[in-house]
Amino acid sequence: LAKTTQPISMDSYEGQEVNITCSHNNIATNDYITWYQQFPSQGPRFIIQGYKTKVTNEVASLFIPADRKSSTLSLPRVSLSDTAVYYCLVGGETGANNLFFGTGTRLTVIP
Amino acid sequence: GAVVSQHPSRVICKSGTSVKIECRSLDFQATTMFWYRQFPKKSLMLMATSNEGSKATYEQGVEKDKFLINHASLTLSTLTVTSAHPEDSSFYICSARGQQYSTDTQYFGPGTRLTVL
Repeated sequence: LAKTTQPISMDSYEGQEVNITCSHNNIATNDYITWYQQFPSQGPRFIIQGYKTKVTNEVASLFIPADRKSSTLSLPRVSLSDTAVYYCLVGGETGANNLFFGTGTRLTVIP
Repeated sequence: GAVVSQHPSRVICKSGTSVKIECRSLDFQATTMFWYRQFPKKSLMLMATSNEGSKATYEQGVEKDKFLINHASLTLSTLTVTSAHPEDSSFYICSARGQQYSTDTQYFGPGTRLTVL
């Protein structure tokens, strides 16, 4: 089971770029890396998913080094509405490895 | 695409009653659905995995007779909390995974807040 480790919390000012790193040292060959965002009293919302190198969509970028033992979620120019908990999950097509949530990172955006 | 709904969004019940929570995948067929529980300020904890047409697989420490899961169709799974007690009060979240997605991505419902008095 690929366990993930993230910082418990981070603070950032509005307008800044925020990078949240997740460690997953025992990631398996078939595992993908998925990031979710969760607001209080809501279900997690899918942000981005990747396997290697860099993935970018309209809300975030995901950087994955060659050894894939970590990944970094990058949020450009955060706003107050980005205050939330961010979770990274690691898992593959075949099974249930990505069903276990770690502690997540509580991001607080300061005006 | 990939919308998952839950009903009800909030429920308050008396101790000893049973509560049913529905989880639906609105625009895709969910071969597998998952049920999580989340306590305040804590992470999500997986309770069980349900596959359409078969019995659910429960995580260690989750009582299958207390948390009844039925996945009767490719778009609907239900969680019934039987004989609820105050300690069952929590935020229950379901997620669904569909065959049409090439990677193992789950899509989550909005959650159901259960309060047992």
